[in-house]
Amino acid sequence: EPEVTQTPSHQVTQMGQEVILRCVPISNHLYFYWYRQILGQKVEFLVSFYNNEISEKSEIFDDQFSVERPDGSNFTLKIRSTKLEDSAMYFCASSETQLNTEAFFGQGTRLTVV
Amino acid sequence: DQQVKQNSPSLSVQEGRISILNCDYTNSMFDYFLWYKKYPAEGPTFLISISSIKDKNEDGRFTVFLNKSAKHLSLHIVPSQPGDSAVYFCAASAIQGAQKLVFGQGTRLTINP
Repeated sequence: EPEVTQTPSHQVTQMGQEVILRCVPISNHLYFYWYRQILGQKVEFLVSFYNNEISEKSEIFDDQFSVERPDGSNFTLKIRSTKLEDSAMYFCASSETQLNTEAFFGQGTRLTVV
Repeated sequence: DQQVKQNSPSLSVQEGRISILNCDYTNSMFDYFLWYKKYPAEGPTFLISISSIKDKNEDGRFTVFLNKSAKHLSLHIVPSQPGDSAVYFCAASAIQGAQKLVFGQGTRLTINP
Protein backbone atom coordinates (compact mmCIF):
# COMPACT_ATOMS: atom_id res chain seq x y z
CA GLU A 1 0.00 0.00 0.00
CA PRO A 2 1.42 3.40 -0.93
CA GLU A 3 2.49 5.52 2.02
CA VAL A 4 3.98 8.86 2.93
CA THR A 5 7.50 8.49 4.31
CA GLN A 6 9.35 10.99 6.46
CA THR A 7 12.99 11.28 7.44
CA PRO A 8 14.49 11.48 9.95
CA SER A 9 12.20 9.96 12.54
CA HIS A 10 13.88 12.02 15.26
CA GLN A 11 16.00 15.15 14.94
CA VAL A 12 17.76 16.90 17.80
CA THR A 13 19.10 20.35 17.06
CA GLN A 14 20.52 23.30 18.94
CA MET A 15 18.51 26.48 19.21
CA GLY A 16 19.31 28.81 16.33
CA GLN A 17 20.32 26.03 13.95
CA GLU A 18 18.60 25.29 10.67
CA VAL A 19 16.80 21.99 10.16
CA ILE A 20 15.33 20.37 7.08
CA LEU A 21 12.60 17.79 7.48
CA ARG A 22 12.05 15.53 4.50
CA CYS A 23 9.01 13.80 3.12
CA VAL A 24 8.23 11.60 0.16
CA PRO A 25 4.52 11.93 -0.60
CA ILE A 26 2.46 9.27 -2.33
CA SER A 27 3.52 9.29 -5.96
CA ASN A 28 0.27 10.20 -7.72
CA HIS A 29 -0.75 12.81 -5.16
CA LEU A 30 -0.72 16.47 -6.14
CA TYR A 31 -1.36 18.27 -2.83
CA PHE A 32 1.14 18.30 0.00
CA TYR A 33 0.90 19.50 3.56
CA TRP A 34 2.83 19.98 6.75
CA TYR A 35 1.20 19.73 10.15
CA ARG A 36 2.70 19.75 13.61
CA GLN A 37 1.68 18.54 17.03
CA ILE A 38 3.27 20.04 20.10
CA LEU A 39 3.23 17.56 22.97
CA GLY A 40 -0.19 17.44 24.57
CA GLN A 41 -1.76 19.76 22.02
CA LYS A 42 -3.80 19.47 18.84
CA VAL A 43 -2.49 18.61 15.43
CA GLU A 44 -2.12 22.02 13.74
CA PHE A 45 -2.03 22.90 10.06
CA LEU A 46 1.12 24.66 8.89
CA VAL A 47 1.06 24.87 5.11
CA SER A 48 -0.39 23.40 1.95
CA PHE A 49 1.48 23.20 -1.36
CA TYR A 50 0.27 22.61 -4.88
CA ASN A 51 1.77 23.11 -8.30
CA ASN A 52 5.08 24.24 -6.81
CA GLU A 53 3.66 26.99 -4.71
CA ILE A 54 2.12 27.54 -1.31
CA SER A 55 -1.68 27.50 -1.54
CA GLU A 56 -2.38 28.29 2.10
CA LYS A 57 -0.41 28.82 5.28
CA SER A 58 -1.28 29.31 8.91
CA GLU A 59 -0.18 32.04 11.30
CA ILE A 60 2.40 29.61 12.67
CA PHE A 61 4.12 29.44 9.29
CA ASP A 62 6.14 32.62 9.59
CA ASP A 63 9.30 33.74 7.81
CA GLN A 64 11.48 31.18 9.54
CA PHE A 65 9.62 28.38 7.76
CA SER A 66 9.84 27.46 4.10
CA VAL A 67 8.78 24.53 1.95
CA GLU A 68 10.18 23.19 -1.25
CA ARG A 69 9.71 20.40 -3.72
CA PRO A 70 13.30 20.16 -4.95
CA ASP A 71 12.65 17.24 -7.30
CA GLY A 72 9.77 15.06 -8.44
CA SER A 73 9.53 13.07 -5.24
CA ASN A 74 10.68 14.97 -2.16
CA PHE A 75 8.84 17.64 -0.21
CA THR A 76 10.81 19.47 2.47
CA LEU A 77 10.13 21.75 5.41
CA LYS A 78 12.97 24.05 6.42
CA ILE A 79 13.12 25.87 9.72
CA ARG A 80 15.79 28.52 9.41
CA SER A 81 16.61 29.37 13.01
CA THR A 82 15.01 26.95 15.39
CA LYS A 83 13.52 28.01 18.70
CA LEU A 84 12.73 25.93 21.74
CA GLU A 85 9.02 26.23 20.98
CA ASP A 86 9.52 24.58 17.60
CA SER A 87 9.94 21.27 19.41
CA ALA A 88 7.07 19.12 18.17
CA MET A 89 6.08 16.19 15.97
CA TYR A 90 5.99 17.33 12.37
CA PHE A 91 3.71 15.41 10.03
CA CYS A 92 3.81 15.51 6.27
CA ALA A 93 0.65 14.60 4.40
CA SER A 94 -0.48 14.32 0.82
CA SER A 95 -3.77 14.01 -1.01
CA GLU A 96 -4.82 13.14 -4.53
CA THR A 97 -7.16 16.05 -4.97
CA GLN A 98 -8.04 19.16 -3.05
CA LEU A 99 -11.69 18.72 -2.27
CA ASN A 100 -13.48 16.10 -0.22
CA THR A 101 -10.64 13.68 -0.05
CA GLU A 102 -8.63 12.28 2.78
CA ALA A 103 -5.06 13.32 3.44
CA PHE A 104 -2.59 10.52 4.10
CA PHE A 105 -0.06 11.22 6.81
CA GLY A 106 3.51 10.11 7.31
CA GLN A 107 4.75 8.69 10.58
CA GLY A 108 6.16 12.04 11.65
CA THR A 109 9.51 13.55 12.57
CA ARG A 110 10.04 14.34 16.23
CA LEU A 111 12.00 17.59 16.38
CA THR A 112 13.68 18.41 19.66
CA VAL A 113 15.30 21.83 19.99
CA VAL A 114 17.75 22.12 22.88
CA ASP B 1 -8.92 28.14 18.27
CA GLN B 2 -11.74 25.79 19.26
CA GLN B 3 -13.43 25.28 15.91
CA VAL B 4 -13.42 21.51 16.38
CA LYS B 5 -13.91 20.10 19.86
CA GLN B 6 -13.76 16.63 21.28
CA ASN B 7 -14.95 17.06 24.83
CA SER B 8 -14.05 13.61 26.08
CA PRO B 9 -10.30 13.21 26.49
CA SER B 10 -10.71 9.50 27.16
CA LEU B 11 -13.20 6.66 26.80
CA SER B 12 -13.09 3.12 28.08
CA VAL B 13 -15.25 0.41 26.49
CA GLN B 14 -15.63 -3.33 26.95
CA GLU B 15 -14.54 -5.51 24.05
CA GLY B 16 -17.49 -6.38 21.84
CA ARG B 17 -19.54 -3.37 22.89
CA ILE B 18 -20.16 -0.19 20.94
CA SER B 19 -17.73 2.72 21.17
CA ILE B 20 -19.17 6.16 20.48
CA LEU B 21 -16.81 9.07 20.01
CA ASN B 22 -18.21 12.57 19.73
CA CYS B 23 -17.11 15.75 18.05
CA ASP B 24 -18.60 19.24 17.85
CA TYR B 25 -17.70 22.06 15.50
CA THR B 26 -18.49 25.73 15.35
CA ASN B 27 -17.55 26.81 11.83
CA SER B 28 -20.59 26.52 9.56
CA MET B 29 -18.28 26.65 6.52
CA PHE B 30 -17.00 23.14 7.26
CA ASP B 31 -18.39 20.73 4.72
CA TYR B 32 -16.20 17.66 4.96
CA PHE B 33 -15.43 15.72 8.09
CA LEU B 34 -12.94 12.97 8.78
CA TRP B 35 -11.94 10.64 11.57
CA TYR B 36 -8.34 9.64 12.05
CA LYS B 37 -6.86 7.07 14.36
CA LYS B 38 -3.42 7.50 15.86
CA TYR B 39 -1.11 5.09 17.62
CA PRO B 40 1.86 6.37 19.65
CA ALA B 41 4.88 7.34 17.51
CA GLU B 42 2.86 7.04 14.30
CA GLY B 43 1.07 9.50 12.08
CA PRO B 44 -2.71 9.82 11.94
CA THR B 45 -4.33 7.07 9.88
CA PHE B 46 -7.49 7.87 7.96
CA LEU B 47 -10.55 5.91 9.09
CA ILE B 48 -13.70 7.29 7.56
CA SER B 49 -15.13 10.54 6.23
CA ILE B 50 -18.44 12.17 5.51
CA SER B 51 -19.52 15.00 3.29
CA SER B 52 -22.01 17.56 4.54
CA ILE B 53 -24.56 16.41 1.98
CA LYS B 54 -24.89 13.13 3.88
CA ASP B 55 -25.89 12.32 7.42
CA LYS B 56 -24.38 8.86 7.65
CA ASN B 57 -21.50 6.93 6.19
CA GLU B 58 -20.63 3.35 6.99
CA ASP B 59 -17.50 1.30 6.42
CA GLY B 60 -17.42 -2.09 8.05
CA ARG B 61 -17.41 -1.69 11.82
CA PHE B 62 -17.16 2.09 11.56
CA THR B 63 -20.09 4.46 11.06
CA VAL B 64 -19.96 8.23 11.13
CA PHE B 65 -23.09 10.27 11.77
CA LEU B 66 -23.39 13.95 10.99
CA ASN B 67 -26.00 16.28 12.48
CA LYS B 68 -25.50 19.58 10.69
CA SER B 69 -28.14 21.49 12.62
CA ALA B 70 -26.41 20.60 15.87
CA LYS B 71 -22.92 20.88 14.33
CA HIS B 72 -22.15 17.49 15.77
CA LEU B 73 -20.67 14.30 14.46
CA SER B 74 -20.01 10.96 16.03
CA LEU B 75 -18.04 7.85 15.23
CA HIS B 76 -19.53 4.49 16.16
CA ILE B 77 -17.35 1.41 16.32
CA VAL B 78 -19.17 -1.87 16.70
CA PRO B 79 -18.12 -4.34 17.85
CA SER B 80 -15.11 -2.77 19.57
CA GLN B 81 -11.89 -4.76 19.44
CA PRO B 82 -8.66 -4.46 21.48
CA GLY B 83 -6.83 -3.25 18.37
CA ASP B 84 -9.13 -0.23 18.29
CA SER B 85 -7.36 1.18 21.35
CA ALA B 86 -5.79 4.41 20.09
CA VAL B 87 -6.32 8.16 20.02
CA TYR B 88 -9.12 9.21 17.67
CA PHE B 89 -9.11 12.62 16.05
CA CYS B 90 -12.02 14.34 14.44
CA ALA B 91 -11.06 16.75 11.65
CA ALA B 92 -12.95 19.13 9.40
CA SER B 93 -12.30 21.09 6.26
CA ALA B 94 -14.05 23.72 4.17
CA ILE B 95 -14.17 24.07 0.40
CA GLN B 96 -12.61 27.47 0.82
CA GLY B 97 -9.75 26.10 2.85
CA ALA B 98 -7.52 24.37 0.31
CA GLN B 99 -8.13 21.11 2.16
CA LYS B 100 -6.64 22.47 5.35
CA LEU B 101 -7.75 20.15 8.11
CA VAL B 102 -8.76 21.50 11.50
CA PHE B 103 -8.35 18.86 14.17
CA GLY B 104 -10.00 18.25 17.50
CA GLN B 105 -7.83 17.50 20.48
CA GLY B 106 -8.44 13.79 20.33
CA THR B 107 -10.11 11.12 22.44
CA ARG B 108 -8.09 8.24 23.81
CA LEU B 109 -10.13 5.05 23.39
CA THR B 110 -9.25 2.03 25.49
CA ILE B 111 -10.92 -1.30 24.74
CA ASN B 112 -10.87 -3.61 27.73
CA PRO B 113 -10.84 -7.38 27.17
